[in-house]
Amino acid sequence: DSGVTQTPKHLITATGQRVTLRCSPRSGDLSVYWYQQSLDQGLQFLIQYYNGEERAKGNILERFSAQQFPDLHSELNLSSLELGDSALYFCASSAPVAIPTGDQETQYFGPGTRLLVL
Amino acid sequence: DAKTTQPPSMDCAEGRAANLPCNHSTISGNEYVYWYRQIHSQGPQYIIHGLKNNETNEMASLIITEDRKSSTLILPHATLRDTAVYYCIVRVTNAGKSTFGDGTTLTVKP
Repeated sequence: DSGVTQTPKHLITATGQRVTLRCSPRSGDLSVYWYQQSLDQGLQFLIQYYNGEERAKGNILERFSAQQFPDLHSELNLSSLELGDSALYFCASSAPVAIPTGDQETQYFGPGTRLLVL
Repeated sequence: DAKTTQPPSMDCAEGRAANLPCNHSTISGNEYVYWYRQIHSQGPQYIIHGLKNNETNEMASLIITEDRKSSTLILPHATLRDTAVYYCIVRVTNAGKSTFGDGTTLTVKP
C-alpha cells in the first residue's frame, strides 16, 4: 500500500459525458501527479500540482483539467469524453518538503481509476 | 529528461538473479536514475534510485556505470511475483515531468 488513494476504482460512462477522478496523496506529500495509461500508449504524464499550484504540464488535452485543493487532494476532470479516453488513470504523490532534491522526488502511485467510455 | 532505452522483454528463472539493463547515454549531471515496476495494471511501484553511486535496498540493487550512461537493476533472487514491467527513468532535480518509456517486461519462470 503506497498511501495514495484514488476513487472511484472503476468508472463506466458514455461519450460526451464528464467525470471527475479523485486522488488523496500520502500524508505530508505536497506534489500530485496525474498519468494516463492506455493500451497503445503506455504511461503518459498529464500534469503535476505542487501545494495547490500547477508545476508541470505534459500531454494533457484541453478537455481535461485538474486542480489541487487546500487539503492537498486533487481532482482530474475529464469532459466531452471520447472512446479513446478509455484508460487507466493514475495519481502519484511525492515531496514532503518545500524544495525537493532529486533524492526526494520518488513518486508513490495510487491503485488507479479504470475509465471505460462506451 | 534524458531518454532511456530498455530491452522489451527478458526471462529469468525463479531463484536466479534478474539483471535488467537500461541505457541513458544522454543523461545530465543533475539527473537521477529511478526504477519502477508495474505488476499487471496496478499502480507503478517505486524500487530504487541513484545518482552516481551504486545503491542497494531491500528490493534490489542498482549499478550505475562510472560514465553514468547506463545502469543495471538487479533483483538478487527473482520470484514469480517479480513478473512485471520494469521502467527505468531519469529525472532532473525538482522537475515535475517523468517520461516513462516502454519498459522491460520481465517474466520469471518456475
